[in-house]
Amino acid sequence: ETGVTQTPRHLVMGMTNKKSLKCEQHLGHNAMYWYKQSAKKPLELMFVYNFKEQTENNSVPSRFSPECPNSSHLFLHLHTLQPEDSALYLCASSQGTGQIGSEKLFFGSGTQLSVL
Amino acid sequence: GESVGLHLPTLSVQEGDNSIINCAYSNSASDYFIWYKQESGKGPQFIIDIRSNMDKRQGQRVTVLLNKTVKHLSLQIAATQPGDSAVYFCAENTGTASKLTFGTGTRLQVTL
Repeated sequence: ETGVTQTPRHLVMGMTNKKSLKCEQHLGHNAMYWYKQSAKKPLELMFVYNFKEQTENNSVPSRFSPECPNSSHLFLHLHTLQPEDSALYLCASSQGTGQIGSEKLFFGSGTQLSVL
Repeated sequence: GESVGLHLPTLSVQEGDNSIINCAYSNSASDYFIWYKQESGKGPQFIIDIRSNMDKRQGQRVTVLLNKTVKHLSLQIAATQPGDSAVYFCAENTGTASKLTFGTGTRLQVTL
């Protein structure tokens, strides 16, 4: 148990569906992240939120829409996805104070997404 | 862009032997490094970290070595156990970006 909970663990959706991924952290952290993990590729940073404000959007297509209502919750809204979007989506949190070491990430178990 | 890379995609080690997983980084401004372990069906888990003002740091059965001269990072696992089988990632932080950049990972296979 890392203190970061993601739901659902698995998701299968069609290209016309709309779904949302949920992440909750119980660590009192200030920063939350969405990462995409595809086979044989490095972890790809998608979005960063610090104190509920989006501080980074790593050129992510608009079919992925993040939402951060508070420092403990993070959502990723999905619509009209493509088959190449199939991947493991990982949520993470960090202290986010800007000091060296505060960027240490604590990951959830991920949502394995399959787009048909 | 900066890159964090790994020399070997798969490492096979006999149970009880020591494992060494290597990582090369290219950003000389990186001042903080982390090793993560990812088991099947789970997210990456923190193993050990090291700051650039250190050459070596030890944990329980794990040691991280940092060679800034050649921009090389290694993770040593002593007396490797079947439970150590996983993918290991190194990550670096340039300090200014305040975010981590990950390598592609090395799969460690422990044979009996």
